[in-house]
Amino acid sequence: GESVGLHLPTLSVQEGDNSIINCAYSNSASDYFIWYKQESGKGPQFIIDIRSNMDKRQGQRVTVLLNKTVKHLSLQIAATQPGDSAVYFCAERALSGNTPLVFGKGTRLSVIA
Amino acid sequence: DGGITQSPKYLFRKEGQNVTLSCEQNLNHDAMYWYRQDPGQGLRLIYYSQIVNDFQKGDIAEGYSVSREKKESFPLTVTSAQKNPTAFYLCASKLAGADTQYFGPGTRLTVL
Repeated sequence: GESVGLHLPTLSVQEGDNSIINCAYSNSASDYFIWYKQESGKGPQFIIDIRSNMDKRQGQRVTVLLNKTVKHLSLQIAATQPGDSAVYFCAERALSGNTPLVFGKGTRLSVIA
Repeated sequence: DGGITQSPKYLFRKEGQNVTLSCEQNLNHDAMYWYRQDPGQGLRLIYYSQIVNDFQKGDIAEGYSVSREKKESFPLTVTSAQKNPTAFYLCASKLAGADTQYFGPGTRLTVL
């Protein structure tokens, strides 16, 4: 079946460095992708999203890159801070905007002070 | 104060009892969703509703039931038929036609 997954389950980075979290997807019909941040014991928080007609989208300290050729999505966090420590999930949605999101398993980001 | 609220934050029940988790939103969102999250795992879809009085099963609907009598409310009942109900339950919602889905703070259910 179709799936969304992550290359790395855990990632440790030094404070101030840039972080890159990767996500692979297999459904070529997916046209919308989204990243969430989840802190321990809390609900996922929206970070940034991108539609399939774009390759790159930037937010505040975050950038999402989409490579449709290899079905790869990445989240880049600039100047990583201790507050960025959390689990990050990617999700995709195929076809119409009414189908539910399909979530990957998540990557834990640990920031070393 | 707007948003998605889930209550209570922590819930304890004895095995064999049904329990209902609350999810309310005042964002005027059309679609609402329930997910289950187990430790160190991703989110799995239980049920979702696109409009009032209509809902669809997700990937793991067995042992759960929902209702959508009001636009702002989407309660989830965990029945005694759910074999392993202890988990973190997350509710989400979004506007029809919009992309971004927002989550509530979650309810941690522990069945003793």
